[in-house]
Amino acid sequence: ETGVTQSPTHLIKTRGQQVTLRCSSQSGHNTVSWYQQALGQGPQFIFQYYREEENGRGNFPPRFSGLQFPNYSSELNVNALELDDSALYLCASSRGPTNEKLFFGSGTQLSVL
Amino acid sequence: EDQVTQSPEALRLQEGESSSLNCSYTVSGLRGLFWYRQDPGKGPEFLFTLYSAGEEKEKERLKATLTKKESFLHITAPKPEDSATYLCAVQLAYGNNRLAFGKGNQVVVIP
Repeated sequence: ETGVTQSPTHLIKTRGQQVTLRCSSQSGHNTVSWYQQALGQGPQFIFQYYREEENGRGNFPPRFSGLQFPNYSSELNVNALELDDSALYLCASSRGPTNEKLFFGSGTQLSVL
Repeated sequence: EDQVTQSPEALRLQEGESSSLNCSYTVSGLRGLFWYRQDPGKGPEFLFTLYSAGEEKEKERLKATLTKKESFLHITAPKPEDSATYLCAVQLAYGNNRLAFGKGNQVVVIP
């Protein structure tokens, strides 16, 4: 059984650029959630994807968008990058949108210069 | 507003020196309270879920307890490999399984 995998592991971008982060969910999981973790903070919920649709969103602007594919993998896209977007981006998968057990990947460390 | 507060922010322990971490929460409609362990540069690793006041769960040197307003993570006779950040999160009775995290308790166990 494979776990949650994220790519790339590290990324450096400049302000104003766009970035795409990728996540493969754990085998048997159909729901993916994305979290942003700034240095020294707890993860913050960005949004959840279930059946290729957004199913709940946290307090993040529209320049944060996502996709889920038929194989349940997911992408997080961030447009017009700002310095404050520098963070660890975590993907978590679960067996359903209300299933309480989330399994996290190791994250993508994004640095915006 | 739903809120999760963890204390202390940082803790240094001698190996074998037991201690407790606190997570207090003010939420409406708690579905579950979670403890995760996070190592530097890694994603959170699930430890426990607690659902109702009075519930307790144990795993090796860790024991989690829950009351109506707070949870404790007790670390008994810690070892250096217990050094990590411990995250507390609440899951609310909404339509998805979003978690609201605290900032974490950073624990360092000195040999």
